Amino acid sequence: KAGVTQTPRYLIKTRGQQVTLSCSPISGHRSVSWYQQTPGQGLQFLFEYFSETQRNKGNFPGRFSGRQFSNSRSEMNVSTLELGDSALYLCASGDGAQSRTDTQYFGPGTRLTVL
Amino acid sequence: GEDVEQSLFLSVREGDSSVINCTYTDSSSTYLYWYKQEPGAGLQLLTYIFSNMDMKQDQRLTVLLNKKDKHLSLRIADTQTGDSAIYFCADLSGNTGKLIFGQGTTLQVKP
Repeated sequence: KAGVTQTPRYLIKTRGQQVTLSCSPISGHRSVSWYQQTPGQGLQFLFEYFSETQRNKGNFPGRFSGRQFSNSRSEMNVSTLELGDSALYLCASGDGAQSRTDTQYFGPGTRLTVL
Repeated sequence: GEDVEQSLFLSVREGDSSVINCTYTDSSSTYLYWYKQEPGAGLQLLTYIFSNMDMKQDQRLTVLLNKKDKHLSLRIADTQTGDSAIYFCADLSGNTGKLIFGQGTTLQVKP
């Protein structure tokens, strides 16, 4: 099976712009979660989608949003970019119907740099 | 809130065993995971253990779980230079369904 794919792998944006990141889960997986990784804050949960519905949400401002399509692919959007949004954004796909027992497999990440 | 703690750095010689430790606070854990991250890469799932188990062995990897003390360890036997990476412990909360990560332990393997 192909793994989790994320596009693009690298992005450079300027403050105030918006950005959309894409994630395709492992075939057959229906849940997609997003995480932000920074040197200062480590790995932080953004949100999780299952069957096109947001199932879980972390503590990020409303500038961070996401959605999931009927084919389980997910997109994450960040509006009005700030310097502090520079990070590695990781997507994970899950093989279970329950968050509480769902093993997550990660993609390679999208490295976002905000100038 | 739920928290996961790891030591930040471990250095071993090639061929030795490595033991990476992790503590967590969540009483509702369902699974605990070990992920490996190499420079510039995403997270690779190494192994996981169900919260009701004490031990799990998978080739060179041994996971020990002390549920009473909320302590998790990962032992890598015969550590190789290719094992050099950052290792993350993660707790899947039964309350929230969220994966809570530790800060990561950098493993340095010297030839």
